[in-house]
Amino acid sequence: QAVVTQSPSASGTPGQRVTISCSGSSSTIGSNTVDWYQQLPGAAPKLLIYRNNQRPSGVPDRFSGSKSGASASLAISGLQSEDEADYYCATWVDSLNVVLFGGGTKLTVL
Amino acid sequence: QVQLQESGPGLVKPSETLSLTCTVSGVSINGYYWTWIRQPPGKGLEWIGHSHYSGTTKYNPSLKSQVTISLDTSTNQFSLNLTSVSAADTAMYYCARVVPEKDFWSGYSFYFDFWGQGTLVTVSS
Repeated sequence: QAVVTQSPSASGTPGQRVTISCSGSSSTIGSNTVDWYQQLPGAAPKLLIYRNNQRPSGVPDRFSGSKSGASASLAISGLQSEDEADYYCATWVDSLNVVLFGGGTKLTVL
Repeated sequence: QVQLQESGPGLVKPSETLSLTCTVSGVSINGYYWTWIRQPPGKGLEWIGHSHYSGTTKYNPSLKSQVTISLDTSTNQFSLNLTSVSAADTAMYYCARVVPEKDFWSGYSFYFDFWGQGTLVTVSS
């Protein structure tokens, strides 16, 4: 069964750089691009990174994405209290014709 | 500015059909893919499916027998029908616009650039 795995939680202090990982397989992340979404408490998800490393207009350059093989990462530099949110990665799975989300990572700013 | 707004009943009885509508403003639904995504309380996101005005649709295999997504270009709305619901279908339901892209080196991407605020649907008798 195709799955995309994220660590359930991550944390950092203001100003720090944190990284959130997303791992899959050759048939999931290894085959297509990865997108990242930020969900602030009580809000709808928002597109943060698309096609591995592209930022939509309005997303600060503190947020960056990368992909290597069957894994992807979201890096947040200069961590701010307003970055406290859930972060989800997502990828298209050809064999299932489905968009697969990771389980989400809850980021806490200490 | 593209805006999406979900609407529909907040309470549905078990075994009945859940029906939601997404009203799109700021852009014509022609020429784009549109999707429904849900999130059970306290849990992660689940892609339900997407549809294009040309008639192309894709559904999550785990829901395929229950789901229909359809577009109405005359009202600039699209809808979700989910039949034979159970408590497991209780969730926040989001509609969103899909941007499909593909290139030889990177493969496919179906990302969601504009989202509605979501509507909570509870399945209970």
